[in-house]
Amino acid sequence: NAGVTQTPKFQVLKTGQSMTLQCAQDMNHNSMYWYRQDPGMGLRLIYYSASEGTTDKGEVPNGYNVSRLNKREFSLRLESAAPSQTSVYFCASSEAILSGRAGSWTDTQYFGPGTRLTVL
Amino acid sequence: KQEVTQIPAALSVPEGENLVLNCSFTDSAIYNLQWFRQDPGKGLTSLLLIQSSQREQTSGRLNASLDKSSGRSTLYIAASQPGDSATYLCAVGPDNQGGKLIFGQGTELSVKP
Repeated sequence: NAGVTQTPKFQVLKTGQSMTLQCAQDMNHNSMYWYRQDPGMGLRLIYYSASEGTTDKGEVPNGYNVSRLNKREFSLRLESAAPSQTSVYFCASSEAILSGRAGSWTDTQYFGPGTRLTVL
Repeated sequence: KQEVTQIPAALSVPEGENLVLNCSFTDSAIYNLQWFRQDPGKGLTSLLLIQSSQREQTSGRLNASLDKSSGRSTLYIAASQPGDSATYLCAVGPDNQGGKLIFGQGTELSVKP
């Protein structure tokens, strides 16, 4: 059970180049997310997919596109990389579980190891 | 707009000390609040999740509390160990759709032997 996996681990691009970051989860989760982490900014949501076949913008979607290929895989594409996209990118997945008599939801997110991207 | 703040940004304590990490949020209409741990160069690991209807959660030496009305959460670490050294992030779930999280900037904890 690998959890959430991301490829590549490291990448250096030149301005204007394109690339796709890959993410896969083997926990049968419906929801998947892409975040970026920058010093002093915390993690910010780029895009998310609440279920297979759906995607929605997060806080910082400009310059990115996503594809929910199937239930397991959620990719993030940079069409024309810019230095401002230098960051660490994390993929995450979760499954909301209804539990307890009060009907409370448990929705723990599980994160991948990250991709460190540098755009020159 | 929901904002999450963690103070201090960094904390250094001697081994064995009990400590409290603070998290505050501006909008009390949250779905849940989670505490994560991040080791250098690694991804995030979920420590505790508190539902909006709960006041606290405990796991081993960790205890997280939630006061929605005041917009605050604390993470209490008992008898700290050097292995607890990491960055601790809190995140709030602003609604019950899609599990989106809004993160604080984190507190970098160093526990000295």
